[in-house]
Amino acid sequence: TQLLEQSPQFLSIQEGENLTVYCNSSSVFSSLQWYRQEPGEGPVLLVTVVTGGEVKKLKRLTFQFGDARKDSSLHITAAQPGDTGLYLCAGVSQTGANNLFFGTGTRLTVIP
Amino acid sequence: DSGVTQTPKHLITATGQRVTLRCSPRSGDLSVYWYQQSLDQGLQFLIQYYNGEERAKGNILERFSAQQFPDLHSELNLSSLELGDSALYFCASSVSSGSRLYEQFFGPGTRLTVL
Repeated sequence: TQLLEQSPQFLSIQEGENLTVYCNSSSVFSSLQWYRQEPGEGPVLLVTVVTGGEVKKLKRLTFQFGDARKDSSLHITAAQPGDTGLYLCAGVSQTGANNLFFGTGTRLTVIP
Repeated sequence: DSGVTQTPKHLITATGQRVTLRCSPRSGDLSVYWYQQSLDQGLQFLIQYYNGEERAKGNILERFSAQQFPDLHSELNLSSLELGDSALYFCASSVSSGSRLYEQFFGPGTRLTVL
């Protein structure tokens, strides 16, 4: 099993603050994805990073893939209540089957 | 709405029983994935089918089995249920499977409670 550890596990912040979520593994992945999941729903893909060192921006969200393709981070600037949810990183297997290995998750609450 | 449908939404059953969860992928998607999400284990990959054939296996117990039918819908069968099998079960689908990465679209899940 390819384990991805996320930190922190829980995060509660005030609206307008910045935050960073980390996703770490001892395994190398062909690519890494970030998902957001809301209660009662399945995960929804936010971004895919493929190249070591790659940085992608999605409005106030910035995603970075580590140089060795083993870790990633998600930075949110000026968090809003609508950002509340469970954030999951997922490593894509290198076997070609494209099945995902999900991280342990970070539950974010943004307080108005 | 991802376009992936799962039934039933909720399922309550007793230990030792057998249940079947159903998934209909997005129109045109050939690949179906099953995942289990529990509080202590997080979201774990169980099994993948591509165009009717098993493509990859993850942490799927021997008591669990799945299949994909000619119309591409898939069923996950869980037997000899134990309390620890209580979890959310998600199905996801993608256009294809292979060396190129295709986005997976997740259904709303089936919440299984084993009493």
